[in-house]
Amino acid sequence: DAGVIQSPRHEVTEMGQEVTLRCKPISGHNSLFWYRQTMMRGLELLIYFNNNVPIDDSGMPEDRFSAKMPNASFSTLKIQPSEPRDSAVYFCASSHLFDYSNTGELFFGEGSRLTVL
Amino acid sequence: AQKVTQAQTEISVVEKEDVTLDCVYETRDTTYYLFWYKQPPSGELVFLIRRNSFDEQNEISGRYSWNFQKSTSSFNFTITASQVVDSAVYFCALNTDKLIFGTGTRLQVFP
Repeated sequence: DAGVIQSPRHEVTEMGQEVTLRCKPISGHNSLFWYRQTMMRGLELLIYFNNNVPIDDSGMPEDRFSAKMPNASFSTLKIQPSEPRDSAVYFCASSHLFDYSNTGELFFGEGSRLTVL
Repeated sequence: AQKVTQAQTEISVVEKEDVTLDCVYETRDTTYYLFWYKQPPSGELVFLIRRNSFDEQNEISGRYSWNFQKSTSSFNFTITASQVVDSAVYFCALNTDKLIFGTGTRLQVFP
């Protein structure tokens, strides 16, 4: 079975440019999470969706960040305009809602490494 | 507020040594789950174990074992007879209504 698929795996861009990261969750999972990993702050939860609806976006750092989930099989995380401090690895994770509520096990993608120059 | 503390930033051991990774958590919830994830150099996050707050039994899986103590709010992870392939960053995580991670412990196992 395919796992969580993220693209691009690596992105290098210049400050001020728009960045879009994409995620395809595991089929049948209805909870989706975006995490950011940096050396300084570790793994931070940015936002999560249940049944395509954003539930908690309190971790989104600022208005430059936005996330959407137009359907059950696709989500995007957009940064506009990007800044050097946004450089990080962004992970997408998914779970079946029932499983997450009861056990919290998430299945992670391989991450998208973003470098903003 | 929920919090996970992994005080050990980095640990280095020689192969075959035993090593314990510490994890201390904070929550006011009575129902919660604790996890350990492994992040090898390739970068992906790999689930290792899940424990619910009502089950304090220690668990052993091969060379891995976990010690959950509610009295000290700790969920420590021990690797017995460590191997080079165990080199990774290990994250402890707490789930109440969302999964939050500690800052991780980087384990380096030298041959």
